[in-house]
Amino acid sequence: DAKTTQPTSMDCAEGRAANLPCNHSTISGNEYVYWYRQIHSQGPQYIIHGLKNNETNEMASLIITEDRKSSTLILPHATLRDTAVYYCIVRVATGNTGKLIFGQGTTLQVKP
Amino acid sequence: DSGVTQTPKHLITATGQRVTLRCSPRSGDLSVYWYQQSLDQGLQFLIQYYNGEERAKGNILERFSAQQFPDLHSELNLSSLELGDSALYFCASSVSGTGIQETQYFGPGTRLLVL
Repeated sequence: DAKTTQPTSMDCAEGRAANLPCNHSTISGNEYVYWYRQIHSQGPQYIIHGLKNNETNEMASLIITEDRKSSTLILPHATLRDTAVYYCIVRVATGNTGKLIFGQGTTLQVKP
Repeated sequence: DSGVTQTPKHLITATGQRVTLRCSPRSGDLSVYWYQQSLDQGLQFLIQYYNGEERAKGNILERFSAQQFPDLHSELNLSSLELGDSALYFCASSVSGTGIQETQYFGPGTRLLVL
């Protein structure tokens, strides 16, 4: 699975959009980008995933660049409850294991 | 609530001891994963089971072992415990375990403290 690079930490004002970047310059054509988050030592929580098209769900939007070498997770209206560590994970779309390889992630602090 | 349950929530034990962590996957999920989260190593994949069979192994120590039972619950056994084994242990489950556009659902974790 390709390696990802994320900023160590970011701040965001409550009510504003939080844009979390992720670089995955060695991504292969059959690798998906997944985002999970972990709120204060709770179990990680799935947010969204995508291959090459932009994706949106009730939690967030995922924007993947055309060359697929980077992506941005967007939380449109951040709340204090969105304060968490956000993990960007790249993994192959095929295979016989769904194991996740977590990096250090980005600690997002939402401030009032 | 993810639907994945883990017991116990907290465990305090002494070095050299053996403990068993238990995980019940979401209803319908056939695959179980174990992860360890320590302060210095972050979240690390340990092992995966699918329908009772081992499917993938990560950096799991030889002192650690796991199994998945016919009712699909899983147990992680940690023996000859050392101070460095103190960590959060998470269990996750998914439907097929292939990871193909598949979401993993994580339990609340077991916090192990080895004194």
